[in-house]
Amino acid sequence: AQKITQTQPGMFVQEKEAVTLDCTYDTSDQSYGLFWYKQPSSGEMIFLIYQGSYDEQNATEGRYSLNFQKARKSANLVISASQLGDSAMYFCAMRERWDNYGQNFVFGPGTRLSVLP
Amino acid sequence: DTAVSQTPKYLVTQMGNDKSIKCEQNLGHDTMYWYKQDSKKFLKIMFSYNNKELIINETVPNRFSPKSPDKAHLNLHINSLELGDSAVYFCASSQETSGKYANTGELFFGEGSRLTVL
Repeated sequence: AQKITQTQPGMFVQEKEAVTLDCTYDTSDQSYGLFWYKQPSSGEMIFLIYQGSYDEQNATEGRYSLNFQKARKSANLVISASQLGDSAMYFCAMRERWDNYGQNFVFGPGTRLSVLP
Repeated sequence: DTAVSQTPKYLVTQMGNDKSIKCEQNLGHDTMYWYKQDSKKFLKIMFSYNNKELIINETVPNRFSPKSPDKAHLNLHINSLELGDSAVYFCASSQETSGKYANTGELFFGEGSRLTVL
């Protein structure tokens, strides 16, 4: 079963507007971490934002914020004031325990965001 | 100073050949990973090592053999390359963390190695 779901294969947003990228996850662990990564066309993976399962406040990092709804198992990324340089693939990921020791990072299929001038 | 470095960045080779990708991290992390990103951009875990011990080995053909000489290095050797092995291979590292007061513990990625099998 898919552990991380990103239902939007592609999104368009007008420059300077806000956009929400959806992410839902599936886990039975109490302790886990949720991450968003950006992959521009150049190919590198850039860490954007983190939310711990015990964090009560939504995470924010500059123009990025994470809308964490634990009961609904969703961790949507909100980008405010979109810029042309935000055009990229965005991946939601979850860190979970692996076989009682070690950890694994599971990634969603990604959302391709295009910012229009 | 690059945190996670992998070499080479590009490999182009013929079917049936053997190739290796090297990875090194200078972050002092306990855990290192290999991920495969296919043409549809899907990222899938292949292997994970914690302090040189193999932790995750995810349904990868045994033509792929990881090797971790120490916790700062995780190399990937691929025998008898096939067309379907063409992909971008990412090395990554993280510091294991858990619990209520866990730190971020995010994955740090290398730049990726694009393998093309002809």
